Amino acid sequence: KNEVEQSPQNLTAQEGEFITINCSYSVGISALHWLQQHPGGGIVSLFMLSSGKKKHGRLIATINIQEKHSSLHITASHPRDSAVYICAVIWVETSGSRLTFGEGTQLTVNP
Amino acid sequence: DAGITQSPRHKVTETGTPVTLRCHQTENHRYMYWYRQDPGHGLRLIHYSYGVKDTDKGEVSDGYSVSRSKTEDFLLTLESATSSQTSVYFCAISGRDSRQETQYFGPGTRLLVL
Repeated sequence: KNEVEQSPQNLTAQEGEFITINCSYSVGISALHWLQQHPGGGIVSLFMLSSGKKKHGRLIATINIQEKHSSLHITASHPRDSAVYICAVIWVETSGSRLTFGEGTQLTVNP
Repeated sequence: DAGITQSPRHKVTETGTPVTLRCHQTENHRYMYWYRQDPGHGLRLIHYSYGVKDTDKGEVSDGYSVSRSKTEDFLLTLESATSSQTSVYFCAISGRDSRQETQYFGPGTRLLVL
């Protein structure tokens, strides 16, 4: 079965720290999405990427297609970054517009 | 924020009753999706639509049906609700396929089936 694995499951950091969340997947993909779910439950898309690197503010997403791995980095973390971060992929073999999601990484940033 | 709403936001129902959840968008986006989110499983696709009257199944479609008679509305129906369908349901929209564009999510609907 095609799988998406995220690590760590839980991460606690101090304000200002550099944070890395990892996503690995089992077979080839067409694209990878990073999402953020706020404590209140709302979900926001952060990035979609199929190669290389994207940056938005303090967030950086990278992907290594050969190694089947993506990372989400947060620089100068802040308590408002506390959320669940979710990785999702669309498999190369998939027809249609179906995403497969990881279970998420719970990030807590303490002041 | 994309104009996407879900109704109702909370619902309690009894086993065996039919339930319909509504997703409404004002963005004229082609694609619409229904997901459920459960502890230990993350988000899972139930059904999605790639146009009016064009729908396809996701990985957990059993027990659910959908309809899209106009661009702005995507309905999810539980014909006969079961306790295993207690979940948080999210609708999402996108202008293009998931290979090309991110999705915008609605606020979610909490469904409790007793």
